[in-house]
Amino acid sequence: SAVISQKPSRDICQRGTSLTIQCQVDSQVTMMFWYRQQPGQSLTLIATANQGSEATYESGFVIDKFPISRPNLTFSTLTVSNMSPEDSSIYLCSVGRLETNYGYTFGSGTRLTVV
Amino acid sequence: DQQVKQNSPSLSVQEGRISILNCDYTNSMFDYFLWYKKYPAEGPTFLISISSIKDKNEDGRFTVFLNKSAKHLSLHIVPSQPGDSAVYFCAARGGTYKYIFGTGTRLKVLA
Repeated sequence: SAVISQKPSRDICQRGTSLTIQCQVDSQVTMMFWYRQQPGQSLTLIATANQGSEATYESGFVIDKFPISRPNLTFSTLTVSNMSPEDSSIYLCSVGRLETNYGYTFGSGTRLTVV
Repeated sequence: DQQVKQNSPSLSVQEGRISILNCDYTNSMFDYFLWYKKYPAEGPTFLISISSIKDKNEDGRFTVFLNKSAKHLSLHIVPSQPGDSAVYFCAARGGTYKYIFGTGTRLKVLA
């Protein structure tokens, strides 16, 4: 399965600032996703990162708050903008493959704390 | 509206015994289900899957059962080992590629 490198692994940020999370995959993949796991909650899909075009956002998530880039088939970034304490979560990059019925492989996640 | 529910936030089992983790869903259109295991400070790792056309799938110590009429699936781990201690998530496919995750069950296997 694909190997995903995600960084930073954790960060503590001041409110009002922005953080960009990077996701690097060791092979080309068609589907890349960004998830959020708030404390005690399930994993919630933020958006699908589309190569060469704008990301597809889920209900409740907007591009201004979570801009996403995907310049090629192995790399994507998620920016958490104008952060508030409510953005404190684990953010996870994942990839899906057709041959596994799009079952996801996840990165190790970024634990974000906003103070 | 939580479409995938794991009603037990935690479970403790003695080593060597069976662990049974449960998951309920509300949408009868879900066609594929996954179980993931997550250790602290790591991302979830895929464990086992089942298609809605089956009622059982087995992989070593792990077996997933699907009861479509009850909209219920369960993961059985036999025998349970201390290394199985982790948070387990079930996920259901709600579209071509989108999965909806439950809130997870923390399993603790006691030595």
